[in-house]
Amino acid sequence: AIQMTQSPSYLSASVGDRVTINCRASQDIRSDVAWYQQRPGKAPKLLIYSASNLQNEAPRRFTGSGSGTDFTLTISSLQPEDLATYYCLQDDIYPYTFGQGTKLEIK
Amino acid sequence: QVHLEESGGGVVQPGRSLRLSCAASAFIFSNYAMHWVRQAPGKGLEWVAVVSFDGNKKYYADAVKGRFTISRDNSKNTLYLQMNGLRVDDTSVYYCATDRAPYGIGEVEHWGQGTLVTVSS
Repeated sequence: AIQMTQSPSYLSASVGDRVTINCRASQDIRSDVAWYQQRPGKAPKLLIYSASNLQNEAPRRFTGSGSGTDFTLTISSLQPEDLATYYCLQDDIYPYTFGQGTKLEIK
Repeated sequence: QVHLEESGGGVVQPGRSLRLSCAASAFIFSNYAMHWVRQAPGKGLEWVAVVSFDGNKKYYADAVKGRFTISRDNSKNTLYLQMNGLRVDDTSVYYCATDRAPYGIGEVEHWGQGTLVTVSS
């Protein structure tokens, strides 16, 4: 199965900061990556699909980039409601696999 | 607004079986592939299985292949997960979720609130 190595595992940043989360795939997965936000005690929400496409209801401060094996989720200006754990998912090859998650704390 | 409601979770002994259901509403269920994703307590997300919109294609995670079966009844707008030979490490919240695009299999989009399965003696 494809491994998705996500970094960092934990991130602490201030409101207004620019935040970057990375995922590296163990093999080429084209642009078949999605990013999810999971707030504490809630189900995950889709933010980005096909590496760089913003989901309809997602705020514009979230952007995704990358292709092949390296992918990035960027939050341009961190907001208090962005407190959450973020996951990447490769949906190119079965079985689908998630990254380990990045827990984002607001300072 | 897509609505997904999982049911069937509970406490079960190792080696026993359980069937989860997911009732779907407010979208055309028969047009979309459906996924199961699980999350062990305090851990990350783990994709479990997907079934195509028509039920003809099914794919599984290695950890559940041969033990779990995903299925759907489009006449009842319901997704199922039959879990046999349950193990302690199957303990998780199980989420059902829609695929994003009709007729294909791609990203996981809308999620239910999940049902907790606890495997314990």
